[in-house]
Amino acid sequence: AQSVAQPEDQVNVAEGNPLTVKCTYSVSGNPYLFWYVQYPNRGLQFLLKYITGDNLVKGSYGFEAEFNKSQTSFHLKRPSALVSDSALYFCAGSMGSGNTGKLIFGQGTTLQVKP
Amino acid sequence: GAGVSQTPSNKVTEKGKYVELRCDPISGHTALYWYRQSLGQGPEFLIYFQGTGAADDSGLPNDRFFAVRPEGSVSTLKIQRTERGDSAVYLCASSPDPNYGYTFGSGTRLTVV
Repeated sequence: AQSVAQPEDQVNVAEGNPLTVKCTYSVSGNPYLFWYVQYPNRGLQFLLKYITGDNLVKGSYGFEAEFNKSQTSFHLKRPSALVSDSALYFCAGSMGSGNTGKLIFGQGTTLQVKP
Repeated sequence: GAGVSQTPSNKVTEKGKYVELRCDPISGHTALYWYRQSLGQGPEFLIYFQGTGAADDSGLPNDRFFAVRPEGSVSTLKIQRTERGDSAVYLCASSPDPNYGYTFGSGTRLTVV
């Protein structure tokens, strides 16, 4: 069965330090992978996607993610965390080319950045 | 409009009642999706429309749930005989191309009492 897992319910990091939010996937075919962020009482906002090409993907607001096929991972990273990055982050995946775009989401990771 | 609009933003209904949730996608987006997000969980896929037709309704939990998109734009998610377990945030999203991610609305928070 296809699945996306975020092994950490919460990640705490000090402002200015690098942050990583982990994601692993089990998606058939060539996976399309996404990261979304959700602020309180707001919809999910797209951060970045991996479709094909370079394994390091750069996205919105200075975030990046590294696709690692051998480890089936797609961890979200940012070199220097901001307090305003505190939010709920979701990793999602879908089957590659020809799919309907139906996304399978992880359970979410709460990122807490402390000043 | 500029984004995906969902109405109402909040809906409280009594168990057994019928509800309709509306989604206005971004103009020109042919793909439209409904997801359901329960507290503490990631969104779960319900149904996908390409144009007017439901291309994938495999996520609808049972026959109490139904969705339409008659003119290929606005979509309505309909829930009959609501149950307390239907309480969740219902998210709508649209996209010009399903392979490239999509834009979500702010959701409708449904509470069944």
